[in-house]
Amino acid sequence: SYVLTQPPSVSVAPGQTAGITCGGNNIGSKSVHWYQQKPGLAPVLVVYDDRDRPSGIPERFSGSNSGNTATLTISRVEAGDEADYYCQVWDRTSDHPVFGGGTKLTVL
Amino acid sequence: QVQLQQSGPGLVKPSQTLSLTCAISGDSVSSNSAAWNWIRLSPSRGLEWLGRTYFRSKWYNDYAVSVKSRISINPDTAKNQFSLQLNSVTPEDTAVYYCARSSVAVWFDPWGQGTLVTVSS
Repeated sequence: SYVLTQPPSVSVAPGQTAGITCGGNNIGSKSVHWYQQKPGLAPVLVVYDDRDRPSGIPERFSGSNSGNTATLTISRVEAGDEADYYCQVWDRTSDHPVFGGGTKLTVL
Repeated sequence: QVQLQQSGPGLVKPSQTLSLTCAISGDSVSSNSAAWNWIRLSPSRGLEWLGRTYFRSKWYNDYAVSVKSRISINPDTAKNQFSLQLNSVTPEDTAVYYCARSSVAVWFDPWGQGTLVTVSS
């Protein structure tokens, strides 16, 4: 089955830019979606179809996808961005969704 | 605005059946453009999609291989909700369970509030 690989943790200082990667075989040919999950709350969609944002998600959140790596970029990081972030694709072979293992973003 | 409200017990004994319900507001379980999913989160497995139900002229169900022999997801059109039943649970099934809406083969939005289910005697 298709595997998505994320770094377990990323740390960034407030005001800086954070990049969270999601690796997969030829992931650039798939649509990647990103979720933010804060402690005790349900996941929230922050980017869909590689780079689109749902209404209400700040422009500081952006996405890109090419080759074997998709990236969620958070600009001007704030303390409130501290959360777990998960990537997700639809595996056409199994016709099922696949999630990455998640990345914990720490704001220093 | 679609909202999902989960209900069900937080403690289940080993070998018994886990049952959760997800009530839908702002959409219909019979929608021809939505699918209704169950997903769980655990420290050992991360986010794991369990299955879905959806209506496209008739009802379809689709389940993850890991739970296919033990799971049932059913719509309730009268109450506009859908349910999860997971049979023969073990402590490995301890997780936070979420319901979520999707279109077929795309992203999940929104999600229910989550239910921590502990499997323990």
